[in-house]
Amino acid sequence: DIQLTQSPSFLSASVGDRVTITCRASQGVSSSLAWYQQKPGKAPNLLIYGASTLQSGVPSRFSGSGYGTEFTLTISSLQPEDSTIYYCQQLNNYPFTFGQGTKLEIK
Amino acid sequence: EVQLVESGGGLVQPGGSLRLSCAASGFSFSNSNMNWVRQAPGKGLACVSYISSSSGTISYADSVRGRFTVSRDNAKNTLYLQMASLRDEDTAVYYCARGRYTPPSGWSLDLWGRGTLVTVSS
Repeated sequence: DIQLTQSPSFLSASVGDRVTITCRASQGVSSSLAWYQQKPGKAPNLLIYGASTLQSGVPSRFSGSGYGTEFTLTISSLQPEDSTIYYCQQLNNYPFTFGQGTKLEIK
Repeated sequence: EVQLVESGGGLVQPGGSLRLSCAASGFSFSNSNMNWVRQAPGKGLACVSYISSSSGTISYADSVRGRFTVSRDNAKNTLYLQMASLRDEDTAVYYCARGRYTPPSGWSLDLWGRGTLVTVSS
């Protein structure tokens, strides 16, 4: 199985900050990478797919980049409602593995 | 309304069986690839099973292969997960999720249900 490692696992930042989360794959996944946001007690919500394509309805402060084994999710100006957990997922090979998650907290 | 609604979760003893259902509405279920994803309490996400639109391709995570069986009834717009020989470590919220391919960007799980909790305990 392809392993995904997110860093950091925990992140604390202030409203308005630019925040970046990294996802590294144990082998190349081309651009078959998605990012999800999950709020407590809720299902994950798709933010980014194809490494860099913004899902319809997702605020433009979210962006993604990367190819192969290294990917990033960036929030350009952190908002209070962004405080939650973020996961990357590779969809290049089944099982479609997830990263361990990054918990983002507002200072 | 476009939605997925899971049902069938509950408390089951180790070694027992359970069947989960996922009812789809508001979109073309018969043309959609579907997935089961689970999340143990306080833990991350893990894909459990995948089934293509025609049931022609089916995949399982190693942890459930031989114990879980995924199926679908396109006439009823329903996805199923038959779980047998359940273990404590199968305790989780089980989500069904639609797989979507958007060229040229690729695949994603773009629609999720709210999940159903399966608790394996004596």
